[in-house]
Amino acid sequence: NAGVTQTPKFQVLKTGQSMTLQCAQDMNHNSMYWYRQDPGMGLRLIYYSASEGTTDKGEVPNGYNVSRLNKREFSLRLESAAPSQTSVYFCASSEVGVNNYGYTFGSGTRLTVV
Amino acid sequence: GQSLEQPSEVTAVEGAIVQINCTYQTSGFYGLSWYQQHDGGAPTFLSYNALDGLEETGRFSSFLSRSDSYGYLLLQELQMKDSASYFCAVRGARGKSTFGDGTTLTVKP
Repeated sequence: NAGVTQTPKFQVLKTGQSMTLQCAQDMNHNSMYWYRQDPGMGLRLIYYSASEGTTDKGEVPNGYNVSRLNKREFSLRLESAAPSQTSVYFCASSEVGVNNYGYTFGSGTRLTVV
Repeated sequence: GQSLEQPSEVTAVEGAIVQINCTYQTSGFYGLSWYQQHDGGAPTFLSYNALDGLEETGRFSSFLSRSDSYGYLLLQELQMKDSASYFCAVRGARGKSTFGDGTTLTVKP
C-alpha cells in the first residue's frame, strides 16, 4: 500500500530555475491537493483538483501551475523559482464523503531556492 | 474565507489528559478535521466531525459544536510518542481544507 508518493524528496534550485514536483496516489481517490508548509506554520493550499479534469486555485497559487494528468497523478510546476518558494510541499488525496473524511499525505518535498 | 485559532503550545505529563481547542470563522463549513504531525514527517489524519458531538477513536476523541464554531481534540493516557504538532482543519466546498497554524504538544515524563 504505497498511498501517496511524491518525488523528489529534496531539491535545491537556483533563483529563476524551473521544476516539476510529481505526485501519484493509488487509492482511487477523486480529489488531490498541493499544500506548502513554512517553518512553524500550518499548511496553505496552493492548488487542488476536485476530480480528474478539473483544477482550481487555492490560497497561495501565484508562481505555481498544476496538471491533473489522470486520476492518479497531480503535478505542481514552479516556472521561475524564487527564494520565497523555499518550503516543504505536500501532496494529498481524499474522497469526499459524509463520514471519515480525511486527507492522505505524501511524505513531502523539501525545496530550497537559493 | 476561513480562519482558525488554536493554541501554539501545550505541555502535559505522561499519563495525563490534554485538550487542544480550535475555534474557526468560515464562510462555508462542512466539517472539522484533526491531524498529527511529528517533526520532519507528514501530517496524518486523526479524526473528522461533520456533526455536533463527540467522536472517539481509541485514546483520541474529537468534539464539535457548530453553533459555537468550536471544536477540540482530547488526548487521554498521554504517551511520549504523542509529542507532535496537532492541526485542526476546516473542510469547505469541493473538499478543500483550511488548516490552523498548529499546536505543539510536549509530553514530559
